[in-house]
Parts: sequence; structure tokens; C-alpha cells
Amino acid sequence: QKEVEQDPGPLSVPEGAIVSLNCTYSNSAFQYFMWYRQYSRKGPELLMYTYSSGNKEDGRFTAQVDKSSKYISLFIRDSQPSDSATYLCAMSASGGTSYGKLTFGQGTILTVHP
Amino acid sequence: EAGVTQSPTHLIKTRGQQATLRCSPISGHTSVYWYQQALGLGLQFLLWYDEGEERNRGNFPPRFSGRQFPNYSSELNVNALELEDSALYLCASSLRATNQPQHFGDGTRLSIL
Repeated sequence: QKEVEQDPGPLSVPEGAIVSLNCTYSNSAFQYFMWYRQYSRKGPELLMYTYSSGNKEDGRFTAQVDKSSKYISLFIRDSQPSDSATYLCAMSASGGTSYGKLTFGQGTILTVHP
Repeated sequence: EAGVTQSPTHLIKTRGQQATLRCSPISGHTSVYWYQQALGLGLQFLLWYDEGEERNRGNFPPRFSGRQFPNYSSELNVNALELEDSALYLCASSLRATNQPQHFGDGTRLSIL
């Protein structure tokens, strides 16, 4: 079983829709949670960075972390064609063999059509 | 502010050769990380350098190695290249403190023929 599971999609939505992206994880030591967006032939771009449980909002993006359920989500409101990309969740823990290491989900391919 | 820069963009090698990939971090960042993004395997952690020292490495054989220079730039060396080493190699950088956000470059695409 992978430490981080993410539905690869693909996910196709109309412009203006609310998009929900999710990851589950098994390692209870994870404390830091990130969402990256990766366009074709580009590196991952950091969208959201959160510590422990709770919500964080940035413009059209909202990240949620539920450590009790080992579940994280990213919501995109008013989705735009420019949001079409692969979305990667990533997590990290402190100390030991996890030091400095991000563990990624497989990525969800999102297409927003006009 | 300039982001993480990687060179070359694309590198073509044959089996058994050696490859050297380069990374310049964001100004002010002292930590550099290397990841491999192979088709079907996702992003896998390779190495972490900080203050010129290797701080952690992922589950990769010793033929994957690197170093960090006094100006915090970094090299990744892959010896005895194998076909399965074909992948996008991504470099990220962060501030020194632990668990700071990592910012990625656009990668070097390594193709093994």
C-alpha cells in the first residue's frame, strides 16, 4: 500500500465549476501538507502549504486537512481553463528518515473546458 | 525573483554512461532537494543537501550521488546509466529551517537510449 493515495482521474469539468481534489494517507507522522500544480513540461508549482489540521484559503483555492481521518482536500472555486493541469498532493514529517523528504500522491489530471 | 534553475533542459545518454545535472536554488535558499519523476511512478525523493552536506537520501542505489557547492548550487550525478533511469529529474530549494516549503525548477529530462 502506498503511503499517499490520490485518484489519478482524469477529471473533466465545465468552466465555473467547483473542483474537489482529495488524498488519503497512512503515515500518522505526516504534519505538513501541500498542494502543487504541474503544467505539461513544467515543474510543480506550490499552491498551498498547511500545517496540521484545519482550513486555509487563498483566492479561489481552499485546502482542508483532517488528520483524524488522514484525509486532505483542495477545492477550486470558479474553475478556469487555465486551471487545467496535474494536481499533486505532498506531505512531510519531521525527523528521522523523513527529514526533508516530501511524499507525493500520483497526481490528478484536471481539465476545465470552456 | 529568479526561481530554481536547472540545466540542461534535456539530456540524452546511452546505457552505461554517466550523467551530470545541475541546479541553482532561489537566492537565499540553502537547502536543495532532488526528485525523480518517472512515468507511472510519480515523484520520488532522491537526495537532500544543506550547507554542503548530504542530509538525507531516498531509496535509490549509490550510483545516484551529488554534491552542493559553497554558493548552494548542486549537482546530481548518475553513474552506469540504465534504461529505467529515463525520467524527469526535478530540483527544489527551500530556506534552511526544517519543513520549509519546497519550490521546484522545471527539471532536466534524461533519456537513456
